[in-house]
Parts: sequence; C-alpha cells; structure tokens
Amino acid sequence: DAGITQSPRHKVTETGTPVTLRCHQTENHRYMYWYRQDPGHGLRLIHYSYGVKDTDKGEVSDGYSVSRSKTEDFLLTLESATSSQTSVYFCAISRGPPSYEQFFGPGTRLTVL
Amino acid sequence: AQKVTQAQTEISVVEKEDVTLDCVYETRDTTYYLFWYKQPPSGELVFLIRRNSFDEQNEISGRYSWNFQKSTSSFNFTITASQVVDSAVYFCALTLTGTASKLTFGTGTRLQVML
Repeated sequence: DAGITQSPRHKVTETGTPVTLRCHQTENHRYMYWYRQDPGHGLRLIHYSYGVKDTDKGEVSDGYSVSRSKTEDFLLTLESATSSQTSVYFCAISRGPPSYEQFFGPGTRLTVL
Repeated sequence: AQKVTQAQTEISVVEKEDVTLDCVYETRDTTYYLFWYKQPPSGELVFLIRRNSFDEQNEISGRYSWNFQKSTSSFNFTITASQVVDSAVYFCALTLTGTASKLTFGTGTRLQVML
C-alpha cells in the first residue's frame, strides 16, 4: 500500500471557522491532489500540486486553498467553512508520467454545521 | 473538457452471477489513460487497472476482465462469478497525457452481491 496518511480522519466544525486538512506521503511522489467525494458526483478535483510550492486549481476550487512547502506534505485549507463543504476529502499521490495512476489516502470526513 | 459516464447507479446480483459495469467516456484528445477504482464499504479507494488509449487489448486478471473499445468510447468492467467481497462502489476515471495526471471520475456504480 502507498504510504499516504490524512489527518484528521473525522472533523466536525461550525460554519465560518477555518479548517486545515493534512496529507502526508512517504513515497516521494511528485504529484499530490485533493478531491472531494459527494453523492451523485463521484470524486471531483479541488487542487493539485506538481512540486514543492507549485500548485494549481481543479474543477471545484472555490473556497479552498492549498500549500505544499515540503514534498511529503500537502495542506488543504477552508478559510471559512460552509455547509456546502461538508464532504469526504481524499488526498492522492502520483508519480505522474508515464505511469499516471493515483493512489489514495484513507479520506477525511468533514461535517460543517 | 472530458467526461466519464457510468449510467448504472446501482446493480444487485446474486453470488456467482457475472456482472458488467459500463463506462463511457468523452474526450477530444487522442492520448489518454483510463482507470477503474474500487471503493469497498470501508471507504478507501483501491486502484484496479490502468489502460492507455493506444492499447485496445482486453485484459483479464483472475475473475476481473476489462473490455476497451475506442470505437464506442467504452471501457467496461466484468466480474465473473461474483462474490460478496466484490460488493463496493466502482469508479471509472480518465486522465489526459501531459496533464499532471488529473483524474476525471464517473459518478460510480454501486454493486451489491447477495448470497
């Protein structure tokens, strides 16, 4: 199994509070991703990183920011959480070309009340 | 933009039946990769297979087989002699080459295998 951990695994917070989710990898993969999973939508890409300090937006990036100061860590921040951000958040890693497959962390269930 | 459609939302079968999960994709690019992932009730996402757009050979791995047809833009997944442990949500996904491996997922098919 790919060495990917996410913390926290579960979080309940209130609307308007900041939240940071952490993804940590031990595989030294170049690419890291944050997805959210919602019923009826599958997984949707929020942000991704293609190297230290190199990040870009995904399909559903509004209300989220990310940072990657080290190869092994990729942080997802909700500056002011809203109820629409209640979801399960998955981090993933990839070597990138030519293999392309992504390996996923265990997920974080976030509830915004 | 690319799109992946999994029209089957839920499928229920009895153990030992064969079942096929459909995946249809849309892209204007000629080079891409297709994937299947499994999400069991425990919630993790498990990589099953990767197929590139130049390789239309079908693949078999134990009870699992995949049928890739570029002519119909489909990448279907068949489980032969299904087992209760196959109960999961299955996702089909697509990435374009040279795009940082960003995945576009279908909405998933929930497979329930009953005794």
